[in-house]
Amino acid sequence: AQSVAQPEDQVNVAEGNPLTVKCTYSVSGNPYLFWYVQYPNRGLQFLLKYITGDNLVKGSYGFEAEFNKSQTSFHLKKPSALVSDSALYFCAVRDIEWNYGGSQGNLIFGKGTKLSVKP
Amino acid sequence: DGGITQSPKYLFRKEGQNVTLSCEQNLNHDAMYWYRQDPGQGLRLIYYSQIVNDFQKGDIAEGYSVSREKKESFPLTVTSAQKNPTAFYLCASSIGRQTGRDEQYFGPGTRLTVT
Repeated sequence: AQSVAQPEDQVNVAEGNPLTVKCTYSVSGNPYLFWYVQYPNRGLQFLLKYITGDNLVKGSYGFEAEFNKSQTSFHLKKPSALVSDSALYFCAVRDIEWNYGGSQGNLIFGKGTKLSVKP
Repeated sequence: DGGITQSPKYLFRKEGQNVTLSCEQNLNHDAMYWYRQDPGQGLRLIYYSQIVNDFQKGDIAEGYSVSREKKESFPLTVTSAQKNPTAFYLCASSIGRQTGRDEQYFGPGTRLTVT
């Protein structure tokens, strides 16, 4: 069964400092991994995804994430945080070994990590 | 929020009433999804549809129903059988599920409060 964990409910960072939001996953095969961001009372916005290839994935708004197969992790990072980055961040996973039409093809979301960037 | 619209943004209903949430997309996407979001629980899949006139139950389908008569539209009905309907409901779409590589695009959400 697929699962994804975001071990931190909240991450606090000072503006200008690097930030990391952690995500670990469990799938039976190889994963497709996604990061989304949600601002208050809004829908989710896609940030980036790992499908295959380079382990370092670059996405929107200066975010990047590193796929680490041995540690089954896909942490979201940004070199210099902005106050406007404050939001709720979701990691999601899909097992690459899915069957078309089967429920295992669905995205599994983590519970979210609230990022707070203070001036 | 891309080309997905959800209406209304806020919805209030009395217990025992059915209510239908609207979701429309102009992205020409084949697949559409309904999620429920509760504080501290992430997103949980209610129903999904890969193609017109076809839909499948997700993880928490009990008390909900959907239809997919048009590619652009995927309305969700919250029935009186849903025991805890108060939540934030998110609709999403993607190009298709065949490859599994596609990201989903989300609407702005509808906050339903049932009293």
